[in-house]
Amino acid sequence: EIVMTQSPATLSVSPGERVTLSCRASQNIGTYLAWYQQKPGQAPRLLIYGASTRATGIPARFSGSGSGTEFTLTISSLQSEDFAVYYCQQFNNWPPITFGQGTRLENK
Amino acid sequence: EVQLLEFGGTLVQPGGSLRLSCAASGFTFGTYAMTWVRQAPGKGLEWVSSISGSGDSTQYADSVKGRFTVSRDNSKNTMYLEMKSLAVEDAAIYYCARDYETSGIGGIIVVLGYWGPGTLITVSS
Repeated sequence: EIVMTQSPATLSVSPGERVTLSCRASQNIGTYLAWYQQKPGQAPRLLIYGASTRATGIPARFSGSGSGTEFTLTISSLQSEDFAVYYCQQFNNWPPITFGQGTRLENK
Repeated sequence: EVQLLEFGGTLVQPGGSLRLSCAASGFTFGTYAMTWVRQAPGKGLEWVSSISGSGDSTQYADSVKGRFTVSRDNSKNTMYLEMKSLAVEDAAIYYCARDYETSGIGGIIVVLGYWGPGTLITVSS
């Protein structure tokens, strides 16, 4: 099973800041990585797939990078609506599909 | 517009059974793989099961293998999750989700581009 590890667990940030979230895979997954955003009481929303491709309708301030075992989600200028939990997910070697434990963005 | 809506969540006793449904609309249902993901209260996301567009290919998490069965009826645009021998650790919000892009009737990608609002299962005596 591929273990996905996200860091940090919680990030205290202010609107307008540049934010970088990390995700590490326990094995090489190429670029078979997706990022999701989840707000309280809502289903997750797909942000990025293939490590760096934005899903339809996702603002350009969200970008993804990385390959192999190290991945990054960057929010170039944090907006108030971006406070949420972010999950990475690998879809290279499965089953099982595995998610990271999530990174929570909280308002500083 | 793609819409997914789960049904069937309720309170069930340990050892009990339940069937969830996921009704889909706004796309050609039979050409997309579908997935169940669950989330225990206050916890992260856990993949449960996926099924190809044709229904011929299914996969399960070890935690549910042998107890849960995923299926679909493409004539009714509906996916199901039959759950048996439910345990306290199965309590969660269950989401159905659709692959972001089609990989044909036989493939499963598990990039989850569309999600339902979820249905809550509580397991308690």
